[in-house]
Amino acid sequence: GAVVSQHPSWVICKSGTSVKIECRSLDFQATTMFWYRQFPKQSLMLMATSNEGSKATYEQGVEKDKFLINHASLTLSTLTVTSAHPEDSSFYICSATRQGRHQGPQHFGDGTRLSIL
Amino acid sequence: TQLLEQSPQFLSIQEGENLTVYCNSSSVFSSLQWYRQEPGEGPVLLVTVVTGGEVKKLKRLTFQFGDARKDSSLHITAAQPGDTGLYLCAGARPGTYKYIFGTGTRLKVLA
Repeated sequence: GAVVSQHPSWVICKSGTSVKIECRSLDFQATTMFWYRQFPKQSLMLMATSNEGSKATYEQGVEKDKFLINHASLTLSTLTVTSAHPEDSSFYICSATRQGRHQGPQHFGDGTRLSIL
Repeated sequence: TQLLEQSPQFLSIQEGENLTVYCNSSSVFSSLQWYRQEPGEGPVLLVTVVTGGEVKKLKRLTFQFGDARKDSSLHITAAQPGDTGLYLCAGARPGTYKYIFGTGTRLKVLA
């Protein structure tokens, strides 16, 4: 089955640090990847849509200079949380859809738990 | 703005009981998905419904998409402790391929 890998799964760092999270589709090509944020005991909030070879599309209220997204290949998207602060601590999850199947199943990674001290 | 409201938010029941989770919106969706999420993991897709009035069954789970494609329900028969988790609906608006997640229903089934 389709597998999406996220790395790292857990990161703890000091305030002011920039953190990069990788999302890889391991056995399929993904034109589109999505980045979500989830606070404890809450649902997933879509942050941005990552498109291979073009700029990401951010949801309203999400700072694009704060959350940098790069989708340089059909199997890799990265989310960089720049100058992270404690309020950025959250569970970040990516998903990917197979190339050409925009409304097909989303395949989710296992998430990255980010803790900023 | 949360377009998809789920109810109930929390549900704690005994093993063997039946339950229904609702996912409601004032917006029309071209397709709707249901997921289950375990703590510390990504959501796992249970089903996708695309046709108004569509009913799909997955073992003890029955999913229905409203006739107007604005709402959906998930019914679990004879719940088991293994059904415990966060259930999420997610809808895609017509003309887009972004899925917006519902508010979530946290289910706990007691043995």
